[in-house]
Amino acid sequence: EADIYQTPRYLVIGTGKKITLECSQTMGHDKMYWYQQDPGMELHLIHYSYGVNSTEKGDLSSESTVSRIRTEHFPLTLESARPSHTSQYLCASSENYGYTFGSGTRLTVV
Amino acid sequence: DQQVKQNSPSLSVQEGRISILNCDYTNSMFDYFLWYKKYPAEGPTFLISISSIKDKNEDGRFTVFLNKSAKHLSLHIVPSQPGDSAVYFCAAWGDTGTASKLTFGTGTRLQVTL
Repeated sequence: EADIYQTPRYLVIGTGKKITLECSQTMGHDKMYWYQQDPGMELHLIHYSYGVNSTEKGDLSSESTVSRIRTEHFPLTLESARPSHTSQYLCASSENYGYTFGSGTRLTVV
Repeated sequence: DQQVKQNSPSLSVQEGRISILNCDYTNSMFDYFLWYKKYPAEGPTFLISISSIKDKNEDGRFTVFLNKSAKHLSLHIVPSQPGDSAVYFCAAWGDTGTASKLTFGTGTRLQVTL
């Protein structure tokens, strides 16, 4: 049974739309992360949070934003989607060095 | 600066044989090393880990070896099965200069053939 949930699993949306990708975990982890994976396989860290009201940008620059109002919830928002945002978005949480990943959201912007 | 490297983007192995996936790192401050397995359209799942104070860890068909002097680790899968076909990510945890977090390699796509 998954302890970290991402919705939606798949999303096809038009250019210019605002979207929010949801990520929730039930493990009480303080640390949460967003990764982007293009078909080239590499995982790019785009945002992370070490607790409520704490967010940081990751190694890869991203036009998305995140918020952390509750420990269990770490949504990612794109204000105006573009085709270049087409990718798989993976959310993870951790207590220490072991990350638990959600199933991911496959986003396609047309 | 790629601190964790997987130099082989792909590997093909026959069913029943050994699969060896390699990973090199540059940061001697890493404390733990992990391997994740990823199927398409799914999130990575944890496979096996090793502490920097050990040189081997075994779990069923999976064994990870760590050579600290060479800054190299490898994942051995014996015997390989078709269900092992996936992308494998090596990851290292420790202080990267900005924060302690996992640093992932670029992945190796393993294909196990019949």
